[in-house]
Amino acid sequence: GAVVSQHPSWVICKSGTSVKIECRSLDFQATTMFWYRQFPKQSLMLMATSNEGSKATYEQGVEKDKFLINHASLTLSTLTVTSAHPEDSSFYICSARAGEDGFEQYFGPGTRLTVT
Amino acid sequence: KNEVEQSPQNLTAQEGEFITINCSYSVGISALHWLQQHPGGGIVSLFMLSSGKKKHGRLIATINIQEKHSSLHITASHPRDSAVYICAVRFGKTSGSRLTFGEGTQLTVNP
Repeated sequence: GAVVSQHPSWVICKSGTSVKIECRSLDFQATTMFWYRQFPKQSLMLMATSNEGSKATYEQGVEKDKFLINHASLTLSTLTVTSAHPEDSSFYICSARAGEDGFEQYFGPGTRLTVT
Repeated sequence: KNEVEQSPQNLTAQEGEFITINCSYSVGISALHWLQQHPGGGIVSLFMLSSGKKKHGRLIATINIQEKHSSLHITASHPRDSAVYICAVRFGKTSGSRLTFGEGTQLTVNP
C-alpha cells in the first residue's frame, strides 16, 4: 500500500527555538496533506489541510504564524513549529490523500516533539 | 451533528480469542477507515471501506451502510495485536470533507 514517511520520528528542542517536521508520500503523489496533533489518551485533532502550491487552511484555534505549513511539491509537506513552548509538546501526525477520487488517505508514523 | 462512536473503549482478551470492535456513525458517509495505533504512536491504515467487507490476513472489516455501523474483527488474536484501534469517517458524498475520528478502542491481548 501507499507509504507516508515523517522525519524526524522524535525531536527534543529548547523553548524559543523552531522545529521543522517533514512529511513525504513515498510512492504516490499527494495533492492534499493533513497535519494532526494528538495529546496523550486523546484522538487526533486536525490542525490544517494543505494543498500543493497553495496556502494551508488552518482549523479554528490553530495559530498559522506558530505552525507554518509548506506544501512545496506533490510528495512533500513541512510543518514548522516556531518559537516552541513546552505546551507545544505533542505527537504530530501527517496524512496524505491519494487515489483518483481522493477518498484514500494514508497516515505517517508521527513525530513526537518535546519542548524543554 | 456528525458523530462517531466506538465500542468498547477498552477490551482485554486472551491470546487466540476472536475480537470485535464496533463503530457507529450518525449520518451518511462516503468512506470509513480503520486505523491501528501502537504504543509508540505510529498509525497504520488497516482498511478503507465504503461498502461490504474487506479482509487482510486475520483482520476483517465490515460495514452496513443502512445501519450506519462498521465492525473490525480480529481472528486468532495475538499479543502483538495490542494497540489502539481507531474508526475514522468521512461524512458526506465528496472526498473534500475531513475525517472525523472515534475515541479509539484500547485492545490488550494477553498471552
